[in-house]
Amino acid sequence: KQEVTQIPAALSVPEGENLVLNCSFTDSAIYNLQWFRQDPGKGLTSLLLIQSSQREQTSGRLNASLDKSSGRSTLYIAASQPGDSATYLCAVSQGAQKLVFGQGTRLTINP
Amino acid sequence: DTEVTQTPKHLVMGMTNKKSLKCEQHMGHRAMYWYKQKAKKPPELMFVYSYEKLSINESVPSRFSPECPNSSLLNLHLHALQPEDSALYLCASSQALLLDRGGGYTFGSGTRLTVV
Repeated sequence: KQEVTQIPAALSVPEGENLVLNCSFTDSAIYNLQWFRQDPGKGLTSLLLIQSSQREQTSGRLNASLDKSSGRSTLYIAASQPGDSATYLCAVSQGAQKLVFGQGTRLTINP
Repeated sequence: DTEVTQTPKHLVMGMTNKKSLKCEQHMGHRAMYWYKQKAKKPPELMFVYSYEKLSINESVPSRFSPECPNSSLLNLHLHALQPEDSALYLCASSQALLLDRGGGYTFGSGTRLTVV
């Protein structure tokens, strides 16, 4: 059974810092990995999608990497801003249209 | 249009009420999903529709009844719910039947359901 773990569970940093969120998964037989952002009480916003054949994806200040063989992904946020405060979820896809989510990292950027 | 639209955004219902949640997408996605999310927890899959047919039911109680009238619409009919069913209900869609074809998920903003 696939298990996804996100470390740390919560992170608080001052504005302007670069930071890394971690995601690990137990079964490397994934199709892709997706990073989402969720604001309190809101839906999920897709940030980056990495196919199993890819090593990384970039969008603006965000960069996500994938090492499928070791079961790890990282989300790098450059020059953090207060507006980046949210919960970040990683999810891996396997067959049968199922996403398996991690528990999320609650990120707070302090002005 | 790159959005999944859910209505209503908030819903309060009594345990004897019947209500419906609605979800709509116009991205041509042929797979649609219902997820349930409790506070401070990740979303949990409830149902999957592929080409308007129910393909996955994650042992959800019968008081939740999904319906997919066409490829753009997904409903969740609610009847005789319990207070513990209060949660954020999220709809999602994806481009591919099998995610190995590269499709990611697009989520709606959710319906905040409170059962009293």
